[in-house]
Amino acid sequence: GAVVSQHPSWVICKSGTSVKIECRSLDFQATTMFWYRQFPKQSLMLMATSNEGSKATYEQGVEKDKFLINHASLTLSTLTVTSAHPEDSSFYICSAPEREGGEQFFGPGTRLTVL
Amino acid sequence: LAKTTQPISMDSYEGQEVNITCSHNNIATNDYITWYQQFPSQGPRFIIQGYKTKVTNEVASLFIPADRKSSTLSLPRVSLSDTAVYYCLAQPRDTGRRALTFGSGTRLQVQP
Repeated sequence: GAVVSQHPSWVICKSGTSVKIECRSLDFQATTMFWYRQFPKQSLMLMATSNEGSKATYEQGVEKDKFLINHASLTLSTLTVTSAHPEDSSFYICSAPEREGGEQFFGPGTRLTVL
Repeated sequence: LAKTTQPISMDSYEGQEVNITCSHNNIATNDYITWYQQFPSQGPRFIIQGYKTKVTNEVASLFIPADRKSSTLSLPRVSLSDTAVYYCLAQPRDTGRRALTFGSGTRLQVQP
């Protein structure tokens, strides 16, 4: 199957700093990617839809100025957590469909810990 | 999107068959049932998908009755490595441009 990678796999940062997480589709092009957040013992919650060449679409309650998404190419979407705070500590996961109507493939996730 | 209901957790022993049932009473005509598996600190992984009757692959079987209001994921002869959270989703198949909606999932613990 198709492969989606994320970098870094884990990151620890100080409160107030910004962190960038990359999501790459390694062997296919993805015009759309999705960003999820998962807190411990909870399910995945959709944060935003990343669209190549256009603005991301954010879910209700997700601050677009805090979680900056850039989808500059057909294989890369980035999520930047700006001015991170401890409550932003979570597991961030991206996914991408291999083709429209096709199976979605998930990245391995990025564990963010904000001190 | 059809709401799905699954048991919060299940326990099993190695070598046993595990059946996880998912309820989706409000499933729509164009919804497919898909199951994902998630290990700790990893992204979800597709297991199986079906529309009706029975689907089998090298990993699992999926049983869907005629009314499609429920489905059962069957894992034959589980091993310790099958310990994970299993999510049942009922969504249209043409979800290439739509995100997946995950419910609470079933936490399966396999013991020796």
